[in-house]
Amino acid sequence: AQSVAQPEDQVNVAEGNPLTVKCTYSVSGNPYLFWYVQYPNRGLQFLLKYITGDNLVKGSYGFEAEFNKSQTSFHLKKPSALVSDSALYFCAVRGVSPTSGTYKYIFGTGTRLKVLA
Amino acid sequence: NAGVMQNPRHLVRRRGQEARLRCSPMKGHSHVYWYRQLPEEGLKFMVYLQKENIIDESGMPKERFSAEFPKEGPSILRIQQVVRGDSAAYFCASSPDGRMNTEAFFGQGTRLTVV
Repeated sequence: AQSVAQPEDQVNVAEGNPLTVKCTYSVSGNPYLFWYVQYPNRGLQFLLKYITGDNLVKGSYGFEAEFNKSQTSFHLKKPSALVSDSALYFCAVRGVSPTSGTYKYIFGTGTRLKVLA
Repeated sequence: NAGVMQNPRHLVRRRGQEARLRCSPMKGHSHVYWYRQLPEEGLKFMVYLQKENIIDESGMPKERFSAEFPKEGPSILRIQQVVRGDSAAYFCASSPDGRMNTEAFFGQGTRLTVV
């Protein structure tokens, strides 16, 4: 079955420091991976995706993510965190449903990022 | 170019009433997904629809919940005889197609409160 795991419920980082939000996945076939951010009382905003090619993917707001096939990971990174980056971050995989054969987005449980001033 | 529009943003219903949540996808998008988010929890897949078709409803409760995406008009998520446990944020997302490499765009959500 397709799945995504975000092992950390919360990540705290000081402003200006690099940040990493972890994500591991399990899929059959090629992985299509996504990161989204959710601010309080808002919907999810797309940050970036990995389809194929370069293992380092650059996205919105200075975020990037590193795809590692051997470790089945897709960690979100940013070189220098801002207080305004504080939000809930979701990793997702586009996986095929074993019952219907169709594709849907499967989300992790989310990681709350707190950037401290 | 308007994004995914959901309405209402907030909905209060008494136990036993019906809740109807609407989602208008982005222009040119024909695939719609509904998710439920409980407080401090992640997103739970409910249903995936294409125009006039239910593609995958494996996440929908078997009773009281239904969804449609007609040829014309918004997608509707309908919850009959609501109970307190239905209180949650319901998010709709859309994508232009069903390919694996396309990202979905989300609406602002409808926050349902059952009193």
